[in-house]
Amino acid sequence: DAGVTQSPTHLIKTRGQQVTLRCSPKSGHDTVSWYQQALGQGPQFIFQYYEEEERQRGNFPDRFSGHQFPNYSSELNVNALLLGDSALYLCASSLLIGQGSPDTQYFGPGTRLTVL
Amino acid sequence: AQSVTQLGSHVSVSEGALVLLRCNYSSSVPPYLFWYVQYPNQGLQLLLKYTSAATLVKGINGFEAEFKKSETSFHLTKPSAHMSDAAEYFCAVSWIQGAQKLVFGQGTRLTINP
Repeated sequence: DAGVTQSPTHLIKTRGQQVTLRCSPKSGHDTVSWYQQALGQGPQFIFQYYEEEERQRGNFPDRFSGHQFPNYSSELNVNALLLGDSALYLCASSLLIGQGSPDTQYFGPGTRLTVL
Repeated sequence: AQSVTQLGSHVSVSEGALVLLRCNYSSSVPPYLFWYVQYPNQGLQLLLKYTSAATLVKGINGFEAEFKKSETSFHLTKPSAHMSDAAEYFCAVSWIQGAQKLVFGQGTRLTINP
């Protein structure tokens, strides 16, 4: 059973460019969350997608946007890149089970984005 | 607002010694608590989670954590450290109303001395 996969592994961009990161969830999962992990920091929640809709969002500007496809895979787009966007971007998948105990989030290996 | 504080950004222990990584949380609603481990250049792997069942939670690789509501703590322990335990450890909190959003601490880097 494949776990969460992300592509690409590494990416180098220059300021002002746009980037798209991709994530395939664990088999059977329907919810995808994205996190940004700056060097030496804990991950910070960007947003979460369920049923192709953004379900909730963290404290990130509108330059960060996403999409979820019918097969539950997801993309994270970042426009007008800044030096401060350099980070490890983590995708996590889970199964949304209503208002009960939150299901475990399984993380992918991440995409390392470097903005020059 | 919910938050997590991990006391000690770096912890160093000898192989075979007790591992204790500290985590305190702030939550206005009943929390769910997690410990994740991150090895170099990898994603996060779940060690264990507390979801309002038993307060002593056992996880993988011999780790366990105890939920203490009165102390708002969820410290991670392992009786005997192994070289392979060297990694970054993150404590995280979520809650029902937060719909699975995880709030992470800053992390603790664990070093094992031979």
